[in-house]
Amino acid sequence: EADIYQTPRYLVIGTGKKITLECSQTMGHDKMYWYQQDPGMELHLIHYSYGVNSTEKGDLSSESTVSRIRTEHFPLTLESARPSHTSQYLCASSDSDRNDGYTFGSGTRLTVV
Amino acid sequence: SQQGEEDPQALSIQEGENATMNCSYKTSINNLQWYRQNSGRGLVHLILIRSNEREKHSGRLRVTLDTSKKSSSLLITASRAADTASYFCATGRGANNLFFGTGTRLTVIP
Repeated sequence: EADIYQTPRYLVIGTGKKITLECSQTMGHDKMYWYQQDPGMELHLIHYSYGVNSTEKGDLSSESTVSRIRTEHFPLTLESARPSHTSQYLCASSDSDRNDGYTFGSGTRLTVV
Repeated sequence: SQQGEEDPQALSIQEGENATMNCSYKTSINNLQWYRQNSGRGLVHLILIRSNEREKHSGRLRVTLDTSKKSSSLLITASRAADTASYFCATGRGANNLFFGTGTRLTVIP
């Protein structure tokens, strides 16, 4: 689980606040992903990026936005958090040349009250 | 949907026993991967098997792939309490993103 870092690990915020979840990787991977996962449930892809200045929405509609200005950094932003955004957010990266699996961060558990 | 489905959804065994989890998928794939997730953490990549392979081993893990049945199995031999986790299969197709299954929750009782 090393080499890809997510901060914060836990976050409790009030409704309407703007938040940014950070994700950084040191492996030089070109592809990065954000997944949303409720406890004990499946993963839902909400955003992905195939390289700098490339971002796409995933399979699950999300009110969040992402940016990829640098290869190593893929932050996710919620402009106005709501209780329905309460979930775990997992960041991952992969190397399209190696195609040998994803490396995941430890996740950010977000609670919106 | 290309998403895989694991079976069973939950499995509880005694330490030392073998654990077998199955994964079925719907479309053609280039590879199939298995991941482990400890409670509240990220996923950890365990093993990758390519579509032209039928079986692969890594330590106490054995993975099989049957592309004609669109299914895979993960066997964990001589299980330990530390193997308690959720296990996900993920299917890869070319340059596309992985599709993750619904997961099997394994509990190994000491």
